[in-house]
Amino acid sequence: AQSVAQPEDQVNVAEGNPLTVKCTYSVSGNPYLFWYVQYPNRGLQFLLKYITGDNLVKGSYGFEAEFNKSQTSFHLKKPSALVSDSALYFCAVSGTGGYQKVTFGIGTKLQVIP
Amino acid sequence: EPEVTQTPSHQVTQMGQEVILRCVPISNHLYFYWYRQILGQKVEFLVSFYNNEISEKSEIFDDQFSVERPDGSNFTLKIRSTKLEDSAMYFCASSMDGYEQYFGPGTRLTVT
Repeated sequence: AQSVAQPEDQVNVAEGNPLTVKCTYSVSGNPYLFWYVQYPNRGLQFLLKYITGDNLVKGSYGFEAEFNKSQTSFHLKKPSALVSDSALYFCAVSGTGGYQKVTFGIGTKLQVIP
Repeated sequence: EPEVTQTPSHQVTQMGQEVILRCVPISNHLYFYWYRQILGQKVEFLVSFYNNEISEKSEIFDDQFSVERPDGSNFTLKIRSTKLEDSAMYFCASSMDGYEQYFGPGTRLTVT
């Protein structure tokens, strides 16, 4: 069974500082990895994905994530945090093959402090 | 930019009643999904739908649940006899390739 772990319930970072939100995964075969963001009372917004290729993937709003196969990690990063980045971030994984279900992590609340 | 839409945004129903949650996926997408998020918990997969049939479902998706794509544009989730524990945010998603899924804003279902 596939699974995702987000070890931090909350991450606090000062505005302008770099941020990292951690994610590790477990899946059979090659993973397809995603990050989604959820603002209060809103749906899930797609940030970025890793399917294959370069281990560093760039996404929306200046976010990027690094795929590390040996550590089975897919940490989300941003060089300079904005207050507007404060939201709930979900890491997700699906397995090889089409129309695979996506398994989400529990979510990490990011709080950017002005 | 095309987006997935869901109606209603909030549905309140009494226990034992039937509810239908509606979704309009992005028009050229081929794969469709329902997920739910109980308050304070993680997003859970319910069902995936492709080529007019269910391709995968979770253990949550029991006989009380059904999905339908009645007219080529809408994608519905029906709960036949709602229970208190069905109270959650229900998200519809669609995908062109089965990988990158685009989510709707959700329907908050409250069962009283």
